[in-house]
Amino acid sequence: GAVVSQHPSWVICKSGTSVKIECRSLDFQATTMFWYRQFPKQSLMLMATSNEGSKATYEQGVEKDKFLINHASLTLSTLTVTSAHPEDSSFYICSAPRWPGVGRTEAFFGQGTRLTVV
Amino acid sequence: QKEVEQNSGPLSVPEGAIASLNCTYSDRGSQSFFWYRQYSGKSPELIMSIYSNGDKEDGRFTAQLNKASQYVSLLIRDSQPSDSATYLCAVNLWDNFNKFYFGSGTKLNVKP
Repeated sequence: GAVVSQHPSWVICKSGTSVKIECRSLDFQATTMFWYRQFPKQSLMLMATSNEGSKATYEQGVEKDKFLINHASLTLSTLTVTSAHPEDSSFYICSAPRWPGVGRTEAFFGQGTRLTVV
Repeated sequence: QKEVEQNSGPLSVPEGAIASLNCTYSDRGSQSFFWYRQYSGKSPELIMSIYSNGDKEDGRFTAQLNKASQYVSLLIRDSQPSDSATYLCAVNLWDNFNKFYFGSGTKLNVKP
């Protein structure tokens, strides 16, 4: 299957600092990538859709100035959590869709990044 | 509002039994359907994708889709303790954006 690589897998940072998370599609090009957040024992929450060469689309209630998304190439999207606070501690997961055939779509997930803000 | 509904469980089955997981979706425009498995602390892993009505089998897994009833299911035959995880149902819909919508997941416990 297609591989999506996410880095780092875990990070601990001090309150007020910024953290960058990278998401790469390793064997296919991804013009779109999705960023999710998941709190313990809860489902995935879509934060934003990253679009190569254009601005990201944020879901309602997600602060675009706090969660900066850059999709610089067809294989790389980054999420930067700016001025992180303890309530931003969560599991962040990226996903990239691929189109294996006409009318068919599949989405593959990165390994996830566990962010802890202290 | 596009919704994907799943019973949160937990669903408990004995080892060797068939586990049946169900999902309904609200948008009739949904075109692609998926089942993901997520172990605790890990990201989701794609198990099955299904695009047309009927059954699709892959090893011990069978996905079933009924678009008229807006219903998709996953059967796991010969359940193993290693199948214990949360199973997420997802649908893909082409509207203005290519988005995936996830259910809240069903937790499956397979007892040895």
